[in-house]
Amino acid sequence: DAGITQSPRHKVTETGTPVTLRCHQTENHRYMYWYRQDPGHGLRLIHYSYGVKDTDKGEVSDGYSVSRSKTEDFLLTLESATSSQTSVYFCAISDGQGGTEAFFGQGTRLTVV
Amino acid sequence: DAKTTQPTSMDCAEGRAANLPCNHSTISGNEYVYWYRQIHSQGPQYIIHGLKNNETNEMASLIITEDRKSSTLILPHATLRDTAVYYCIVRVVRSGNTPLVFGKGTRLSVIA
Repeated sequence: DAGITQSPRHKVTETGTPVTLRCHQTENHRYMYWYRQDPGHGLRLIHYSYGVKDTDKGEVSDGYSVSRSKTEDFLLTLESATSSQTSVYFCAISDGQGGTEAFFGQGTRLTVV
Repeated sequence: DAKTTQPTSMDCAEGRAANLPCNHSTISGNEYVYWYRQIHSQGPQYIIHGLKNNETNEMASLIITEDRKSSTLILPHATLRDTAVYYCIVRVVRSGNTPLVFGKGTRLSVIA
């Protein structure tokens, strides 16, 4: 299995509080992604990174920010959590070589109450 | 938007081949076909991918039609552990990288 770890695995937080989710990889892959998954929507891309300090927005980026200060870590921050951000969050990594696959973490279940 | 069409759900008897279709009629010449699956809210798992030739690995076979407008993922001997949501994804592969765009996939139920 690819070395990718998400933390925390579960979190309950209150509306309006900041939350940071961490994705850590040991594969030295260049590309990292954050997705969210909600019933009826499948996985939707929030943000992705194509290198240290290089990030771009995905389909559902509003309310989220990301940072990547080193290759192995990609942080997803909810500046002020809302109930609509209750979801399962998945991180993925890819080495970016043509035709290769992405590896996914086990997910973080976030509940905003 | 996902550029593929898949049936919402399918059933398959344990031990039989599971054939999962995918329509990608607008696929471009530089787009690969990828298949992933997700078992009960775990992270998606890569299965196989191809450009125009049929592909086989230890998990599955991928059959792509000659016009590349559709493909079929084949699990040759489905087991109960193959019950999952299967995603067919088309993706441009350049020297950089493009994120995977997921649709809603096909929920495969393998029945004993």
